Amino acid sequence: GQQVMQIPQYQHVQEGEDFTTYCNSSTTLSNIQWYKQRPGGHPVFLIQLVKSGEVKKQKRLTFQFGEAKKNSSLHITATQTTDVGTYFCAGLSLNDYKLSFGAGTTVTVRA
Amino acid sequence: NAGVTQTPKFRVLKTGQSMTLLCAQDMNHEYMYWYRQDPGMGLRLIHYSVGEGTTAKGEVPDGYNVSRLKKQNFLLGLESAAPSQTSVYFCASSYSVTSRGGNEQFFGPGTRLTVL
Repeated sequence: GQQVMQIPQYQHVQEGEDFTTYCNSSTTLSNIQWYKQRPGGHPVFLIQLVKSGEVKKQKRLTFQFGEAKKNSSLHITATQTTDVGTYFCAGLSLNDYKLSFGAGTTVTVRA
Repeated sequence: NAGVTQTPKFRVLKTGQSMTLLCAQDMNHEYMYWYRQDPGMGLRLIHYSVGEGTTAKGEVPDGYNVSRLKKQNFLLGLESAAPSQTSVYFCASSYSVTSRGGNEQFFGPGTRLTVL
């Protein structure tokens, strides 16, 4: 079945620095979604990418979908303490329209 | 709108006991899902439903049963709880499942279950 791998599992960032988390699928995806889960909270939808090579921005967050629609990345610039949490990518399969979640990248920020 | 609600928020069971987790959504969504979240493993799909009266198995269905008698409710049952079922359980719903839009999932606050 479809597998979505996400790296790194943990990211410790100095406040103000940039970082990137990566997501790779074993199969071509229909689209990819990103979610954020604050500590003790539930996943909250951030964005969806559908087109090959698509890039979308939300303030300091930049999301990218690969040309082959098998990988994606989330880049955060000038990290703030409000960015703390776990970021999940989730790939929507072409065949059965089920989301497969990556294991997540847990971000901690040093002030 | 309350969105997606789950009851209970916390529960402790002894091995072999049974329980039902309730999920309710007020967004008129067709699709509903049950996930479990374990450290380092992300969210794994247990069962899902594509509409009232339908259910289907997800990635890790063993030991769980579900029912969707009403469109707004999705119940997850554990008939004989085992320590391996200690986890955080999330319910989610979505309007659609295609790439044309409306397929983002809305999650409930979760149920933290411990099986001793």
